[in-house]
Amino acid sequence: EAQVTQNPRYLITVTGKKLTVTCSQNMNHEYMSWYRQDPGLGLRQIYYSMNVEVTDKGDVPEGYKVSRKEKRNFPLILESPSPNQTSLYFCASSPTGDPQYFGPGTRLLVL
Amino acid sequence: GESVGLHLPTLSVQEGDNSIINCAYSNSASDYFIWYKQESGKGPQFIIDIRSNMDKRQGQRVTVLLNKTVKHLSLQIAATQPGDSAVYFCAENTDKLIFGTGTRLQVFP
Repeated sequence: EAQVTQNPRYLITVTGKKLTVTCSQNMNHEYMSWYRQDPGLGLRQIYYSMNVEVTDKGDVPEGYKVSRKEKRNFPLILESPSPNQTSLYFCASSPTGDPQYFGPGTRLLVL
Repeated sequence: GESVGLHLPTLSVQEGDNSIINCAYSNSASDYFIWYKQESGKGPQFIIDIRSNMDKRQGQRVTVLLNKTVKHLSLQIAATQPGDSAVYFCAENTDKLIFGTGTRLQVFP
């Protein structure tokens, strides 16, 4: 089954404690991206990757890092999480530049 | 269409009726549009897209209409089913994709 998986689905952490949200797709897509979804706002892009070893900032990249060492994986790293990063995060993949397949989401609470 | 604040506009329809969900977009230079469906607790799901050189595009039980004159996009769902209950939002693309906040569709028996 074609899918994008994310782990963990839910995470509660404290300010400053580094965390990683994993994302993996099994469709051999070149394009992957991360979004955050907050109440009253549309999805906002954090980072995207056009291919292995190619990443670029989206609209809200501050406080986040990503890596793309393999085509299927695109982890999101929060080196020092802060409460304003409390959000619902989605990973997405696509054969082109616009997201078509989204993961199930990771709900993050930073205390 | 687009929401204001934290409360999504809601469309309630009876099972079997047709649904029309509207979206006003902001940039007249947008050349590509996508509709997504997001069920509770799940990630968004691509439904249908349309390019600006088209006025209408049909999929399975869904039709998207584009009116560039008034910068308006609509999603029509034929014979709405309980499984169609979700938040629907549009996205417009110029040099990047901008997402709307969506409309909640509620289907009642």
